[in-house]
Amino acid sequence: TQLLEQSPQFLSIQEGENLTVYCNSSSVFSSLQWYRQEPGEGPVLLVTVVTGGEVKKLKRLTFQFGDARKDSSLHITAAQPGDTGLYLCAGAQSGGGADGLTFGKGTHLIIQP
Amino acid sequence: KAGVTQTPRYLIKTRGQQVTLSCSPISGHRSVSWYQQTPGQGLQFLFEYFSETQRNKGNFPGRFSGRQFSNSRSEMNVSTLELGDSALYLCASSLVGGMGLFFGSGTQLSVL
Repeated sequence: TQLLEQSPQFLSIQEGENLTVYCNSSSVFSSLQWYRQEPGEGPVLLVTVVTGGEVKKLKRLTFQFGDARKDSSLHITAAQPGDTGLYLCAGAQSGGGADGLTFGKGTHLIIQP
Repeated sequence: KAGVTQTPRYLIKTRGQQVTLSCSPISGHRSVSWYQQTPGQGLQFLFEYFSETQRNKGNFPGRFSGRQFSNSRSEMNVSTLELGDSALYLCASSLVGGMGLFFGSGTQLSVL
């Protein structure tokens, strides 16, 4: 069973601060996806990273895929209350198919005004 | 373009009953997958359907089953409900499966 470990599990910070959350595994993934989930809703895809070492920016969010394609990080600059939510990473094995997606348990992020 | 629609949003059942959940994928998406989400276990894969065929199955007992219709709509069924089946059941659709899942809002199932 492939595991994706996310850290920290919980994070509460003040508006305007920066933060980084991590997603680590001992397995190699062909790609990694990040989702954000708000209470009472399904996860929403934020980004997919495919190449080892790849960095993608989405406004104040920066996603990085590790060189060995075993880990990823999400950095948020100047966090805002609207960033509050559960951040999930999901790794895909080569070959596709939904069963190739392994989800981490997520980081619960609270941004206090 | 309409998103993934799941019905019902909330469901309360008692032990031993059965339940059917429905999912309408995004138009043009042929892959539908189902996940169970609980606070303790996170998102766990149930199964994936593609063009009416079950393509992959997670590690759940046979009480959990599903199907997909020719219009790509999907249903999942849980028979002989147990307390531990209480969870948020999420459906996700995609063009080819795996990459870039679009989730519905889920069905919150409570088993009493």
